[in-house]
Amino acid sequence: SAVISQKPSRDICQRGTSLTIQCQVDSQVTMMFWYRQQPGQSLTLIATANQGSEATYESGFVIDKFPISRPNLTFSTLTVSNMSPEDSSIYLCSVEEWKGTDTQYFGPGTRLTVL
Amino acid sequence: DQQVKQNSPSLSVQEGRISILNCDYTNSMFDYFLWYKKYPAEGPTFLISISSIKDKNEDGRFTVFLNKSAKHLSLHIVPSQPGDSAVYFCAATRGSGSARQLTFGSGTQLTVLP
Repeated sequence: SAVISQKPSRDICQRGTSLTIQCQVDSQVTMMFWYRQQPGQSLTLIATANQGSEATYESGFVIDKFPISRPNLTFSTLTVSNMSPEDSSIYLCSVEEWKGTDTQYFGPGTRLTVL
Repeated sequence: DQQVKQNSPSLSVQEGRISILNCDYTNSMFDYFLWYKKYPAEGPTFLISISSIKDKNEDGRFTVFLNKSAKHLSLHIVPSQPGDSAVYFCAATRGSGSARQLTFGSGTQLTVLP
């Protein structure tokens, strides 16, 4: 499966600041996804990022708050803007891959704490 | 509105016994289902999937059963091992086998006791 890395692995940020999370894949992939896992909750899809087009956001998530870049087939960034304590979560990127069956493979996640 | 539900937040099983994790869904449009395992400080790891055209899929110690009429799926792990201790998420999507726009359940913490 694709090997996915994320930077930073964790961060503690002040309210009102922004953080950009990087996701790097070791192979070219068409579709990348960004998820959020709030404390004690499940994974929620934020947006789908295709190279060369605008990201598609799920209900409840907007581009101004979570701008996404997808400059090539192996890299994407998610920015969490104007952060508040409610943004404290684990943020995960994933890629879709077909290996006999279609699935998504996930990066290790970025644990964000907003004070 | 929680479309994918895992009603048991935790499950403890003796090593060597069977672990059964359950998942219910409400959206009849879902046609592809996946199970993931997650260790602390790691991303979810794909385990096994099943399409709605099947009612069973097996991969080694892991078997997933799908009951479409009941909108219910279950993951069986036999025999359970201490290394299986993790949070297990079921996920669902619609898209004819395409793993996009996954909707996840809330997870079940499995503890396998030695």
